[in-house]
Amino acid sequence: AQSVAQPEDQVNVAEGNPLTVKCTYSVSGNPYLFWYVQYPNRGLQFLLKYITGDNLVKGSYGFEAEFNKSQTSFHLKKPSALVSDSALYFCAVGGDNFNKFYFGSGTKLNVKP
Amino acid sequence: DVKVTQSSRYLVKRTGEKVFLECVQDMDHENMFWYRQDPGLGLRLIYFSYDVKMKEKGDIPEGYSVSREKKERFSLILESASTNQTSMYLCASILQGDQPQHFGDGTRLSIL
Repeated sequence: AQSVAQPEDQVNVAEGNPLTVKCTYSVSGNPYLFWYVQYPNRGLQFLLKYITGDNLVKGSYGFEAEFNKSQTSFHLKKPSALVSDSALYFCAVGGDNFNKFYFGSGTKLNVKP
Repeated sequence: DVKVTQSSRYLVKRTGEKVFLECVQDMDHENMFWYRQDPGLGLRLIYFSYDVKMKEKGDIPEGYSVSREKKERFSLILESASTNQTSMYLCASILQGDQPQHFGDGTRLSIL
């Protein structure tokens, strides 16, 4: 069975500081890993994905994520947070039969001026 | 760019009503999904479809049904709406497994 865990309900960071949103996964086989962002009353927007290759993947809006196979983690990072990054972030694992995705419970990121 | 369109952004219905939520995608994707989103619970899969007229139950199908008569359209039906179905409903589609799912903007449904 595939699953994803986001251990933090909320992350608070000051503008200009680096941010990390954590994600760990459990899959059988090679994982397809994704990060999404959701702004209030909107759907989920794709940020980045890891399928294979370089462990550090870069995505939209300056975000990046590091795939760590030994720790089964896929943490989302950004070197310098913006107030506009405040949103709800979801980690997901895909690649199952019928292309089903399994989502974490979400982490609310608050970036304070 | 893929577009997934949900017919209503906000909807208010009464207990016992039959409710239809519509979703249309414009990229010829085979697979489509319906989720509900509740605070602290993330996204939970209600139903999905991998082809026209084909459907499979997700994790929380009770009280819901779906219809996929055409490839681009996937409808979620609340057979007899109840207050515990008040939620945000999200539709998504995908081309293949190494691609992201594409989401609509969601329908915020209130059952009174």
